[in-house]
Amino acid sequence: GAVVSQHPSWVICKSGTSVKIECRSLDFQATTMFWYRQFPKQSLMLMATSNEGSKATYEQGVEKDKFLINHASLTLSTLTVTSAHPEDSSFYICSVHGLAGDTGELFFGEGSRLTVL
Amino acid sequence: GQNIDQPTEMTATEGAIVQINCTYQTSGFNGLFWYQQHAGEAPTFLSYNVLDGLEEKGRFSSFLSRSKGYSYLLLKELQMKDSASYLCAPMDSNYQLIWGAGTKLIIKP
Repeated sequence: GAVVSQHPSWVICKSGTSVKIECRSLDFQATTMFWYRQFPKQSLMLMATSNEGSKATYEQGVEKDKFLINHASLTLSTLTVTSAHPEDSSFYICSVHGLAGDTGELFFGEGSRLTVL
Repeated sequence: GQNIDQPTEMTATEGAIVQINCTYQTSGFNGLFWYQQHAGEAPTFLSYNVLDGLEEKGRFSSFLSRSKGYSYLLLKELQMKDSASYLCAPMDSNYQLIWGAGTKLIIKP
């Protein structure tokens, strides 16, 4: 299976600043990565699908200008929360699908907990 | 629409057996996943069912009935470390996973 690493695990920032979260596929070239957000006691919510070399596909209701996604290589996707506000405080998780021939399961990064003061 | 129905919370005793049920409605179907999520951590894969029947993997088993839109996760010989949320996630015709809020399982000594 794929190994996915996220950084940072925890970040605290002031309101109005921007925060970048990195998602790396360590042993698998991922043309597609997924970004999720999870508020406490709620389900995972797909924010966007990150496509290597092209624009990300955002889910309805997710502001693409606020949540900037860059997928410049087959092993790295970044999510930048611009002008963060307290309501953006959440658990952000990236994932990749398994290798072709696998069950297609999602492998998740460790997650990044963002707290905006 | 697409939706998942799981109990919000369940409590069981260490060493016992617990069954977590899940009913779902999706646009198309390409299998169903079960994930475990400890508080503050990302989900980890437990099982995948695409055909009807029971899949056994150690202490955990998962069952699927496609005609009924029903699955369950069976956990045997419960351990304290099994305290977590269990997420039932069917995959729709676009190969998108549909996530519910999960079932929080509390294990008591």
